[in-house]
Amino acid sequence: DAKTTQPPSMDCAEGRAANLPCNHSTISGNEYVYWYRQIHSQGPQYIIHGLKNNETNEMASLIITEDRKSSTLILPHATLRDTAVYYCIVTPGGSYIPTFGRGTSLIVHP
Amino acid sequence: NAGVTQTPKFRVLKTGQSMTLLCAQDMNHEYMYWYRQDPGMGLRLIHYSVGEGTTAKGEVPDGYNVSRLKKQNFLLGLESAAPSQTSVYFCASSPWTGDYEQFFGPGTRLTVL
Repeated sequence: DAKTTQPPSMDCAEGRAANLPCNHSTISGNEYVYWYRQIHSQGPQYIIHGLKNNETNEMASLIITEDRKSSTLILPHATLRDTAVYYCIVTPGGSYIPTFGRGTSLIVHP
Repeated sequence: NAGVTQTPKFRVLKTGQSMTLLCAQDMNHEYMYWYRQDPGMGLRLIHYSVGEGTTAKGEVPDGYNVSRLKKQNFLLGLESAAPSQTSVYFCASSPWTGDYEQFFGPGTRLTVL
């Protein structure tokens, strides 16, 4: 299974873009990159996912490098409510059983 | 459409007692999962199910049993609770396809004294 590496913590000023990196150097060709976030004590919430191409939705943008070995989640205009733990996950090929690491704790400050 | 619900929200047990946590989803999802989350840790998969009548072990299955008698329900049982099982338990569900997202419940906070 492809594993992911994320920085344990980051901070960002409110209104600025938050760029959260994820390394997944052992990803295989059929594995998707997913991002979830968990706001204090709540269940994780899906943000976005992609296979090869960059993706954008109303919450965030996902930039995947051409070699697919890393990705960046971008929150274009971070707010205080974006303070959360962000998990980068690569789906194991064929079994669809995701594994969550410790994620990145993002603190958005005024 | 309630999504994924969990019952109960909170529970305190004494060591050795048993209990069952109920997860229900109304999205007709094939896959269901039970995770536990300890302070400062990510989610660890306990058991999962890829369809009605099937279950499989995850990363940390010891001390837990599960059943999926109905597609919409996934039960997590603790036969003899231990303090090490004090945790927050999250249930999730997802469609069977590979291009999917998981939907999580609000969690059950369990304390074992």
